[in-house]
Amino acid sequence: QSALTQPPSASGSLGQSVTISCTGTSSDVGGYNYVSWYQQHPGRAPKLMIFEVTKRPSGVPDRFSASKSGNKASLTVSGLQADDEGDYYCSSYADNSNWVFGGGTKLTVV
Amino acid sequence: QVQLVQSGAEVKKPGASVKVSCKASGYTFSNYAIHWVRQAPGQGLEWIGRIIAGNGNTKYSQTFQGRVTISRDTSASTAYMDLYRLRSDDTSVYFCARGYVGGIDHWGQGSLVTVSS
Repeated sequence: QSALTQPPSASGSLGQSVTISCTGTSSDVGGYNYVSWYQQHPGRAPKLMIFEVTKRPSGVPDRFSASKSGNKASLTVSGLQADDEGDYYCSSYADNSNWVFGGGTKLTVV
Repeated sequence: QVQLVQSGAEVKKPGASVKVSCKASGYTFSNYAIHWVRQAPGQGLEWIGRIIAGNGNTKYSQTFQGRVTISRDTSASTAYMDLYRLRSDDTSVYFCARGYVGGIDHWGQGSLVTVSS
């Protein structure tokens, strides 16, 4: 199972929006509505930000939204804040009960 | 609240084995799965495998098949990951995380495993 493809880096200014992509195949992202997004700050465990493609856990601001089209999922962070800086990972269920992560995107807020 | 508390850091020699534990609280352990994910220094997340806590069913990534065993003790609400024949490139932070049908939600704090001669 190959890792999902994410851009290594993304950036945006305070208050602006940024979108991070996550590309897989019909065996993972395209085949199931089980895409999640995680935020990770240095030295910390990942934190769930989006689950089942578009859903936000309680406590996650509605500035975080996500979607999926075909084999590509996307995470959009609107109204960027300094604390949004960090690494973002997508994850998907895959064929034969496997799970796969993206390579991660380092988000910088300038 | 859901909590996953992992065992402490380990230093192992190449060829040795390591066992990492993950104690769950704040939810019914048998109703969920436990996944194991690792992160090498400066690298991304890599899925190792999972166990369905209720029935003990396991699934491993092909990358680790034959070199890892995930188990659980339902009476102690604890999951375990054994990794064998350690190599230097197994040096990573190992995370356990709670899983359900649709994904992985809560994570443990991570356990650093260092493999060095």
